Amino acid sequence: AQRVTQPEKLLSVFKGAPVELKCNYSYSGSPELFWYVQYSRQRLQLLLRHISRESIKGFTADLNKGETSFHLKKPFAQEEDSAMYYCALSGLETSGSRLTFGEGTQLTVNP
Amino acid sequence: KAGVTQTPRYLIKTRGQQVTLSCSPISGHRSVSWYQQTPGQGLQFLFEYFSETQRNKGNFPGRFSGRQFSNSRSEMNVSTLELGDSALYLCASSLGAWSSYNSPLHFGNGTRLTVT
Repeated sequence: AQRVTQPEKLLSVFKGAPVELKCNYSYSGSPELFWYVQYSRQRLQLLLRHISRESIKGFTADLNKGETSFHLKKPFAQEEDSAMYYCALSGLETSGSRLTFGEGTQLTVNP
Repeated sequence: KAGVTQTPRYLIKTRGQQVTLSCSPISGHRSVSWYQQTPGQGLQFLFEYFSETQRNKGNFPGRFSGRQFSNSRSEMNVSTLELGDSALYLCASSLGAWSSYNSPLHFGNGTRLTVT
């Protein structure tokens, strides 16, 4: 069975402060990890994936297989980063369309 | 390029009825998957269709079914509706490669189903 845990339902930071959204997973096979974001009144969209090793909108995430974590980080939060963030996992043994999502973290960046 | 389109946006049904939701994928995408989103359970995978065949199925009862047409459009059907079926139903399309690395999901805005 696969499971994704996002321990914080709500996270509030001030503009310019660092932000870290936590994600832990449980999966016995080879995982693919993703972060999806949903801005207010917009559709769910892919933010980044671990295989790409890229920074999107200043966000980065490193897959730590030892700690089974895939935390999302940004050194200086912006107000436009306020959104709902979902960590998601799929296994190489199953189709990439079958994602297991965490409960989500609502990030609020205050001015 | 037009995004994933789901119709209708809102639906109100009564218990015992059945409902059909529609999804038009991005042009060229051959895979369509469906997710149920509720406050209590979050986002849960229902099933995926690829080239008109169900490729993957989540842990939902048989009342939930779907199909895909030759033009990749997909429909999802829920029979004998229960109050607990009230949710946002999201459709997502992708090129259809087995791995998401090469074929990320693109989501629609969803259909909000309310069962009374």
